[in-house]
Amino acid sequence: KQEVTQIPAALSVPEGENLVLNCSFTDSAIYNLQWFRQDPGKGLTSLLLIQSSQREQTSGRLNASLDKSSGRSTLYIAASQPGDSATYLCAPTENDYKLSFGAGTTVTVRA
Amino acid sequence: NAGVMQNPRHLVRRRGQEARLRCSPMKGHSHVYWYRQLPEEGLKFMVYLQKENIIDESGMPKERFSAEFPKEGPSILRIQQVVRGDSAAYFCASSPGGPFGNQPQHFGDGTRLSIL
Repeated sequence: KQEVTQIPAALSVPEGENLVLNCSFTDSAIYNLQWFRQDPGKGLTSLLLIQSSQREQTSGRLNASLDKSSGRSTLYIAASQPGDSATYLCAPTENDYKLSFGAGTTVTVRA
Repeated sequence: NAGVMQNPRHLVRRRGQEARLRCSPMKGHSHVYWYRQLPEEGLKFMVYLQKENIIDESGMPKERFSAEFPKEGPSILRIQQVVRGDSAAYFCASSPGGPFGNQPQHFGDGTRLSIL
């Protein structure tokens, strides 16, 4: 059974700082890993998907790395903005479709 | 290009009633997934369906819960004889399907189910 841990649970930073969100998972036999953001009362928005064969993936100010053998992924958000305030979820995929979620990191970016 | 549509957004039921949650996948997507988010917990996989087939229902409670994805129309998650512990947010996701899970899953805004 896949266990996903996200550290820290919450993070508060001033606008402009870079963010580093950590995710660890227990079963390294994954197909890929997705990062999502969730706004209060809303669904999940897919941010990045990293294939199991990739080491990192970038989209705009977001960069995610994956070390499959050690069961770790890190999401970097450069030059944070108040609009980045949300809960960020890490979800490795097993059996090519089953997402396992961590509890998330709740980010607050102060203006 | 509409995203994943779930309705209703909020549903209130009394104990013992039935709850029906609907999900229309994104256009062109033939794979649907249901997840449940209990209060103060992370999302948990419930069931994976393709048109007219249940592929994996390992995360769904054996009793009172059922899911379908008919040839025509939305996917339905049905909960019979609801109990207080069924109160949660239920999310649907869809993907076009593809080899080795290379396609991201896209989520709807969820249905918040409250049991009185």
